[in-house]
Amino acid sequence: DQQVKQNSPSLSVQEGRISILNCDYTNSMFDYFLWYKKYPAEGPTFLISISSIKDKNEDGRFTVFLNKSAKHLSLHIVPSQPGDSAVYFCAVLNTGNQFYFGTGTSLTVIP
Amino acid sequence: DAGVIQSPRHEVTEMGQEVTLRCKPISGHNSLFWYRQTMMRGLELLIYFNNNVPIDDSGMPEDRFSAKMPNASFSTLKIQPSEPRDSAVYFCASSWFAHSNQPQHFGDGTRLSIL
Repeated sequence: DQQVKQNSPSLSVQEGRISILNCDYTNSMFDYFLWYKKYPAEGPTFLISISSIKDKNEDGRFTVFLNKSAKHLSLHIVPSQPGDSAVYFCAVLNTGNQFYFGTGTSLTVIP
Repeated sequence: DAGVIQSPRHEVTEMGQEVTLRCKPISGHNSLFWYRQTMMRGLELLIYFNNNVPIDDSGMPEDRFSAKMPNASFSTLKIQPSEPRDSAVYFCASSWFAHSNQPQHFGDGTRLSIL
């Protein structure tokens, strides 16, 4: 059973616009949330994270929002650039120190 | 500084053969993870080690899969006998600690095809 769901397998956005990637999780015991970015033929690389005690974390063009009541996590990229085209995975860590990854969303930024 | 190194990058073999995937973590990292990526299930954690000791292998699909970490700089994931449904990309990752929010550093993966 998927503990973490990314319901949009793909997303296309115009360069310069905002990209919003979404992630839903099932267990309120998750206490740390991460986003990874993956290019073809490479491993995922860490992008940004947020602790459950916060609802927002920003790093340059990337902002992660956490809505604990809705068990929802989102990643905003603004402005989007063609180099942002990749697969984005959300990941969660629970208090039992178990990691779960979503199935990924493929983002295409159109020049 | 070298990242996580996995070998081979690609493996094609026939059903029933033994397959061994190898991983060298980042020097100094004490946690190592093996993942399998499929279209349907995304990235699944198979097993992780802390200080060379297997901590959680609940993700290992069945007895055909085994993993070892004989020392801090090397780990193997073995499938014996292999089956077509094992075809996937297998990633190894390492971090400073598993029991923390330290991000994991991934290798570039091994693309495994079982015919």
